[in-house]
Amino acid sequence: GNSVTQMEGPVTLSEEAFLTINCTYTATGYPSLFWYVQYPGEGLQLLLKATKADDKGSNKGFEATYRKETTSFHLEKGSVQVSDSAVYFCALDQGGSEKLVFGKGTKLTVNP
Amino acid sequence: EAGVAQSPRYKIIEKRQSVAFWCNPISGHATLYWYQQILGQGPKLLIQFQNNGVVDDSQLPKDRFSAERLKGVDSTLKIQPAKLEDSAVYLCASSLDGLYNEQFFGPGTRLTVL
Repeated sequence: GNSVTQMEGPVTLSEEAFLTINCTYTATGYPSLFWYVQYPGEGLQLLLKATKADDKGSNKGFEATYRKETTSFHLEKGSVQVSDSAVYFCALDQGGSEKLVFGKGTKLTVNP
Repeated sequence: EAGVAQSPRYKIIEKRQSVAFWCNPISGHATLYWYQQILGQGPKLLIQFQNNGVVDDSQLPKDRFSAERLKGVDSTLKIQPAKLEDSAVYLCASSLDGLYNEQFFGPGTRLTVL
């Protein structure tokens, strides 16, 4: 079945460091791919998405590119801030069915 | 625009007791979802409603879990009787309708079963 695998955390970085959180997926068909973020005490929020191969999603300085050949959707940010501390979830939807399948999440802590 | 509302935010019960969670989606959103998020894992879809009809409940443990969405707006999720392994955060989400619509999540209800 469809699944998402994220790099295990937690990840701890200093402010202004470069961030990469790896995400790979297994899916039949052509899923859309998402990154959701969960700030402490809040609900999940959509961070960015890509709906087809080679699409790049971007938001708030974060980017991820849909790589069909490597079945990956890695999240990157060039310079993290303390306010980026949160749990990040990679997810896919099964061919537009609106049924999201999530990875286990990666906790990011950014220290000043 | 008001977000997805959930209550209560926290609940502690003993095993074999019953519990109910409430969700009020964003106004006008036709699709409503309930997810279970066990500590250290990603959310897992339990049930999906389109208006007041069930679209997918394949992962809902129907022997103890039930959900309804009367009048296609608010929804309740019930567990009866609860087990220790039901300890989790229960998330409600809603989306406008159709393909590729963003799901908006509520803050969740954290359930602890003792």
